[in-house]
This record gives sequence, C-alpha cells and structure tokens, in this order.
Amino acid sequence: GAVVSQHPSRVICKSGTSVKIECRSLDFQATTMFWYRQFPKQSLMLMATSNEGSKATYEQGVEKDKFLINHASLTLSTLTVTSAHPEDSSFYICSAPKDSVFPYNEQFFGPGTRLTVL
Amino acid sequence: KNEVEQSPQNLTAQEGEFITINCSYSVGISALHWLQQHPGGGIVSLFMLSSGKKKHGRLIATINIQEKHSSLHITASHPRDSAVYICAGQIQGAQKLVFGQGTRLTINP
Repeated sequence: GAVVSQHPSRVICKSGTSVKIECRSLDFQATTMFWYRQFPKQSLMLMATSNEGSKATYEQGVEKDKFLINHASLTLSTLTVTSAHPEDSSFYICSAPKDSVFPYNEQFFGPGTRLTVL
Repeated sequence: KNEVEQSPQNLTAQEGEFITINCSYSVGISALHWLQQHPGGGIVSLFMLSSGKKKHGRLIATINIQEKHSSLHITASHPRDSAVYICAGQIQGAQKLVFGQGTRLTINP
C-alpha cells in the first residue's frame, strides 16, 4: 500500500505562535491532498483540499488566512496554523488519493499531528 | 446535502462474535470508504466500494446502491479489532469524503 507521512506527530506551542505541519506522500505522487481536523470523540472534519500548483480550496467556516496551505510539490503539502490559540488544539490528519493507480480514489491517511496550544 | 449516518455509535462484544456496523448515505455519494482508526489516531483504509461486496481476511464490506446502505462485517472478532470504524462517502465527481460519526468497537477477551 501507499504511505503518507506527517511531521511532527505531536507539537505543543504557546498561544500566538505559528505551527507548520507537513504531509508527504512517500511512494507516490499526489496532485491532491486533504487536510482534516478531529476533536476528541468526534469524527473527522474536512478543512481544505490542497492542490499542487494552485490555491487550496477551503470548506465553509474554515479561515484561509488562519490555516495556510501550500502544496509546493507532488509529494508535499504543508498546513500552517497561524497565531494559534487554545481552541485550535486538535488532531490534524492529511490524506492523499493515489489517483494515478487503480483503484483510483483510494485514500491513504497520514498518522496525524496532535497540536496542543497552551 | 451529502450525509453519511452510521450505527451503532458504540458496540461492545465478546471475542469470537460476528460484528456488523451499518452505514446509510444520501444521494450524491459515488463510493463508500470504510476506515479503521486505532487509539493512537492512525487511520487505515479498509475498503472502497461502489457496488457489490469485498472481502479481506475476516472483514467483509457490502453495499446496496438502491438502498444507499453499506455494512461492514467482522467475523470471528478479536480484541485487536477494537478500534473506531468510520464510513465515509465519496462525493460524486470529486475525491473529497464526507464522514460518518464513527463506531467505537470494543472486543472483550
């Protein structure tokens, strides 16, 4: 199966600082990656779709200036949480569909990044 | 509106029992994904299906397009199957997913 990695796996930061999370597809190219947020005991919520070489598409209610997404290459997307606040504390997960290989659209998930903002 | 509803929310069973988790979805969903999330948070894709039935080891997933319903079955359940199982609908014409609420499965030895 395909592998998607995330870094860091866990981060603790002070309120007001910015945090960058990386999502990499290790053995395939991903023109599209998805970023999700998951609060405790809740399911995943799609935040945005990251598109290689173009602007990300954000879901309703997600502030694009707060959650900056950069998909600079076919194997790397980054999510930067700017001016983080305690309410941004959550589990952030990325996924990438391996759409160049059958079965198309099967998605591979990163291991997640647990962000704690003090 | 694209929606995915899962049941039950919580399920506790004894080792060896046959497990069924159900998922209903609305129009506009072209395929159903079944995912497994372990306590550490990592998510594994179990199945992606748009018709019929798929089997992998002790796991079986079925989908009924007409009824817009999918089920995940686990045969001969084992404590290591304990996890949260999530069904997710793939929006027609897109790759993004809409997630069900998840089913927390606990298998006791």
